[in-house]
Amino acid sequence: EIMLTQSPATLSVSPGERATLSCRASQSVSDNLAWYQKKPGQAPKLLIYGASTGATDVPARFSGSGSGTEFTLTISSLQSEDFAVYYCQQYGNWPRSFGQGTNLEFK
Amino acid sequence: EVQLVESGGGLVKPGGSLRLSCAASGFVFNTFSMDWVRQAPGKGLEWVSSISGRSSFIYYADSVKGRFTVSRDNAKNSVYLQMNSLRADDTAVYYCARGPSMMVGMVGAFDVWGPGTMVTVSS
Repeated sequence: EIMLTQSPATLSVSPGERATLSCRASQSVSDNLAWYQKKPGQAPKLLIYGASTGATDVPARFSGSGSGTEFTLTISSLQSEDFAVYYCQQYGNWPRSFGQGTNLEFK
Repeated sequence: EVQLVESGGGLVKPGGSLRLSCAASGFVFNTFSMDWVRQAPGKGLEWVSSISGRSSFIYYADSVKGRFTVSRDNAKNSVYLQMNSLRADDTAVYYCARGPSMMVGMVGAFDVWGPGTMVTVSS
């Protein structure tokens, strides 16, 4: 099973600042990695797939990079609606797996 | 509009059973794999199961293997999760999610999600 480790567990950022979230895989997943945003009481929302491709209607301030075992989600200028928990997920191997999440909180 | 709606959650005693349903609309259902993902209270997301468009390929997380069964009825645009021998640690919100289309096999992200249905296992 591929383990995904996200860091940091919590990130405190002010609106307008840049946020950088990391996801490390225990073995290569190539570019079969997605990022999701999760808010309390809501379903997860797909932000990035293929490690770097933005999903439909996702604002351009969200970008993804990386390949193999190291991945990054960057939010270029945080808006108030971006404060949430972010999860990475690999879908290249069975069983599918998620990281433990990064809580992006208001500083 | 592409939409998924889960139903069937509720309170069940340990050792009991429950069947979740997910009704899909707005897309050609039988061309997409479907997945179940859960989130226990205060915890992260956990993938549970996947089923391909024609039910040819089925996968489970080790934590539910042998207790849960996924199935689908393409004529009814629905996917199901039969949960047996339920335990307290199965307590979670269960989400139905659309996987990749059969054009790309089963390698793809989950781009559409239902609102979820709560399952509570408690005596």
